[in-house]
Amino acid sequence: NAGVTQTPKFQVLKTGQSMTLQCAQDMNHEYMSWYRQDPGMGLRLIHYSVGAGITDQGEVPNGYNVSRSTTEDFPLRLLSAAPSQTSVYFCASTLGGQRRSEQFFGPGTRLTVL
Amino acid sequence: QQQVKQSPQSLIVQKGGISIINCAYENTAFDYFPWYQQFPGKGPALLIAIRPDVSEKKEGRFTISFNKSAKQFSLHIMDSQPGDSATYFCAVPNTGTASKLTFGTGTRLQVTL
Repeated sequence: NAGVTQTPKFQVLKTGQSMTLQCAQDMNHEYMSWYRQDPGMGLRLIHYSVGAGITDQGEVPNGYNVSRSTTEDFPLRLLSAAPSQTSVYFCASTLGGQRRSEQFFGPGTRLTVL
Repeated sequence: QQQVKQSPQSLIVQKGGISIINCAYENTAFDYFPWYQQFPGKGPALLIAIRPDVSEKKEGRFTISFNKSAKQFSLHIMDSQPGDSATYFCAVPNTGTASKLTFGTGTRLQVTL
């Protein structure tokens, strides 16, 4: 099993550009999430999904879109990049329910917006 | 929305010493309370988790102590080793939402020789 994979590992964007961060998991987990990690702020939830076709907003959703067409994939789209979106982005998946404390994280994407 | 406070922000411990990291939360939750460990350049990984109906769980050198009435739990690392140097996050399950966790702000642990 590859677990949770993310691409790209690094990305530099100019303000106003758009891009998609890819996330895939091969564990057949229903629940997937996107977090951003900033110094001193821990992991903040951007969007999450409880299954294919179902997504919802987390704590910091503005400027980001998601969709979930398959169980395996959960891409995160930046519509018009801003310097405030410079961060490290992590995708995670879990079986959910009583096992939700066990989230499996990808290796992260380090994004810089100039 | 669950509120989580983690302390300290950073911690330096000598090899062989005990590292203690604390976490406090506001809203009652009923699922497992986990601690995650993150090495530089990597994603967080589950280290240990405790059920809310027990007061302590031990796995090797790592112990979680849980005080349900005070809404606090802590991570104790016994005989700390340089290889334990990492950032540690507590997390608290959100009530009513099956997949959401609220994470603490993290503690950067450095274990010196």
